[in-house]
Order: sequence, then structure tokens, then C-alpha cells
Amino acid sequence: EDQVTQSPEALRLQEGESSSLNCSYTVSGLRGLFWYRQDPGKGPEFLFTLYSAGEEKEKERLKATLTKKESFLHITAPKPEDSATYLCAGVTGGGNKLTFGTGTQLKVEL
Amino acid sequence: DGGITQSPKYLFRKEGQNVTLSCEQNLNHDAMYWYRQDPGQGLRLIYYSQIVNDFQKGDIAEGYSVSREKKESFPLTVTSAQKNPTAFYLCASSSRQGPYEQYFGPGTRLTVT
Repeated sequence: EDQVTQSPEALRLQEGESSSLNCSYTVSGLRGLFWYRQDPGKGPEFLFTLYSAGEEKEKERLKATLTKKESFLHITAPKPEDSATYLCAGVTGGGNKLTFGTGTQLKVEL
Repeated sequence: DGGITQSPKYLFRKEGQNVTLSCEQNLNHDAMYWYRQDPGQGLRLIYYSQIVNDFQKGDIAEGYSVSREKKESFPLTVTSAQKNPTAFYLCASSSRQGPYEQYFGPGTRLTVT
């Protein structure tokens, strides 16, 4: 069974304190790994797609990387506005259905 | 502006009543999806459609129904047979043949009492 696991469940950082969120997957025939940001009461906002091991994508203070078994979302010098839940999801060879993790709730404090 | 709209943002219903949630997109995407989100759980797929007049059950389709008569629209009906309908419902769309990233609407919070 395809499975995506995110850790930690929650993370509290001080402003400027860099860290990484983990997304491990047991998905056969992974065709893409996606990262989303979700603010409370809103729909997920697309951030990145990674297709192959070794690939990296960056956007402002966020950088996503992919290995054969996991993906990391690195947050460099975070600010309070980076506080949100970050979701990852994988799409398999069977079509375009996504399997989502349960998310990491990030809080960045002053 | 291209995007996905869902209405209403909040919906309240009494037990035993069917309710329909609206989802419209102007991204020219072929594929559309409905998810349910509950606290502490990942997004769970209810139904999806890859083309007009065709749709498939997701992981938790029981108690729900959909239609896809137009490319732009994919309404979801929550029937009285759904045992725990109170949840946050999210609609999404994507290209059917890649890239596969899905774009989400703002969601509808349904409360059934």
C-alpha cells in the first residue's frame, strides 16, 4: 500500500532558526513528489514538484530535495509568516491520484 | 485570474438532509478531485474525474455522489447515508496527462447537526 509519512508532526522554531521537514514514502513507481503549504481554514497552496532523486527546487526561504526514499523541505532563516502546515504528496504510476502525508505544523516565533 | 472556486465557504445542515457543494475551475484542466480533510488526518480522496461524464470512486466514496457534466464543474453531494459528514471539503484540479500537481480551491467547511 502506498504510504507517505511526514515528520515531525509539529515544529516550533525561533525566527532565523533554520530546520528541515521530512517526507518519507513507500510508493511504488513514484512519478512525482509534491510539497504544499496550507494555512488554517484554507486550501493547500502548491509549492514544488520533484520528479527524480537528486533534484532540488527553491523558492524564497524554502528548498525541497528528493532522494530515492524521502524528501526534505529545508527552511532557511524562517520568519513568522512561514508558519503553516506543510503537506507532501506522491503520485504513482497508476495515474494522477495523490497520496498525502498528514503534514507538519510549523510555528515560527519572534 | 485562473483558479478554483468553491461555494459556500461555510455550510450548515441538519442530519438526514442531502447537501451539494459547488466546485468550478477555469484552469482548463481535464481532471478534478474531491478530498475530505479531518483534524490529524491527511487529505482523503472521495471521488475524481479525469474527463467529462466519467468519474471514479476514491478511497472514501461511501455516502457521497458526484457528477461531471461540464469540464469546468464537479459538484459533490453529501448524502444522508454519510455517517460522519462534518468535515472540511477540498476540490482540486490538474492536467490529466502531466504535470500532475493539483491546484486546490479554498474549501467548504460543512457542519451537520
